[in-house]
Amino acid sequence: KQEVTQIPAALSVPEGENLVLNCSFTDSAIYNLQWFRQDPGKGLTSLLLIQSSQREQTSGRLNASLDKSSGRSTLYIAASQPGDSATYLCASNFGNEKLTFGTGTRLTIIP
Amino acid sequence: ETGVTQTPRHLVMGMTNKKSLKCEQHLGHNAMYWYKQSAKKPLELMFVYNFKEQTENNSVPSRFSPECPNSSHLFLHLHTLQPEDSALYLCASSQDPPGAGYNEQFFGPGTRLTVL
Repeated sequence: KQEVTQIPAALSVPEGENLVLNCSFTDSAIYNLQWFRQDPGKGLTSLLLIQSSQREQTSGRLNASLDKSSGRSTLYIAASQPGDSATYLCASNFGNEKLTFGTGTRLTIIP
Repeated sequence: ETGVTQTPRHLVMGMTNKKSLKCEQHLGHNAMYWYKQSAKKPLELMFVYNFKEQTENNSVPSRFSPECPNSSHLFLHLHTLQPEDSALYLCASSQDPPGAGYNEQFFGPGTRLTVL
């Protein structure tokens, strides 16, 4: 069964610190992986998409990596800000018609 | 603005009501999706449409009926729902469907549905 896991479920970090969010998946035959953020009661905002042929993607203070052999992806956030507080979701595309989502990590940046 | 809009944003309905959720994408995409997000659970894919044709029905009960009249519009018709159907319903679109081409998904803000 193809599954995506995000640990921890919640994380609190002082403002200004760098942090890493983790995502693991059970099937290394991954087509791509996408990171999203979701603010309370809102839809999902796409942050980064990594194709299976790529090792990482960068957008501003965000850097996402993909290691298919270990079944892991990380989202690195540099110099965290209170506005980064949200739930971060990763989703894997295993080549079928579906995106398989993790349950997310709820991030709180403490001013 | 994500380019994907959903109406209504909030909906309260009784179990005997019939209502519809609407989704519209302004991105020129070819694939559209319905997802259900319940508390403490991962997003669940419900339906996938590619070029107006349904290509995925993820074992969704028949009380949920999708309709895709064109590549820009997607509806979810609801009837005789149960309280456990209360959730955030999200619509998304992508240039190409998962498994083919460029398929980064863009989401709408969702409809918060409460079934009494």
